[in-house]
Amino acid sequence: DQQVKQNSPSLSVQEGRISILNCDYTNSMFDYFLWYKKYPAEGPTFLISISSIKDKNEDGRFTVFLNKSAKHLSLHIVPSQPGDSAVYFCAAIRSGTYKYIFGTGTRLKVLA
Amino acid sequence: DVKVTQSSRYLVKRTGEKVFLECVQDMDHENMFWYRQDPGLGLRLIYFSYDVKMKEKGDIPEGYSVSREKKERFSLILESASTNQTSMYLCASSLRLGQGKTGELFFGEGSRLTVL
Repeated sequence: DQQVKQNSPSLSVQEGRISILNCDYTNSMFDYFLWYKKYPAEGPTFLISISSIKDKNEDGRFTVFLNKSAKHLSLHIVPSQPGDSAVYFCAAIRSGTYKYIFGTGTRLKVLA
Repeated sequence: DVKVTQSSRYLVKRTGEKVFLECVQDMDHENMFWYRQDPGLGLRLIYFSYDVKMKEKGDIPEGYSVSREKKERFSLILESASTNQTSMYLCASSLRLGQGKTGELFFGEGSRLTVL
């Protein structure tokens, strides 16, 4: 049972435009969500997180939106840059536990 | 700067060999994890450790064991490697925060294991 889903395996966006990566979850006990970026042959690096008490968190070009009623979160990258080309994973966890549940990832390609 | 270091970036082993993957973190984190990443499957948790000598099975522990003798070091062991264990292995660590709190995972660079 896939508790965290990223239904788009890939996404292509023109440089300077907005990239929107989506993530859905099924477990309403999750209350903390994270986005990671991964380049080939490297480990994932943390991008941004959001607690369920918020519906938006912003850090520079990256904004994460959380819609608890829809069990949906999205990562917006504005403006997109070629260096943003990577695989993006969303993850969810219930606070106080250890089990981070990851989605299958979305490969973003930003075209110059 | 926080650091999780995995001992080998690339390994090639033969079926039946014993494989050790080592991970060291310098952040004094209580929690350490081993994941494997496969295309289309995301990151799947193999084992987790929340303290020295303590471990818990993750979602896919079969064929693996772990060792945590020191707080900073978490080892993944494949007792008898098989071809279906060819994968990218990722070590991670995190702080054990207070009740109801959660922090981020810090990952190592990954170890690409090929079993022939």
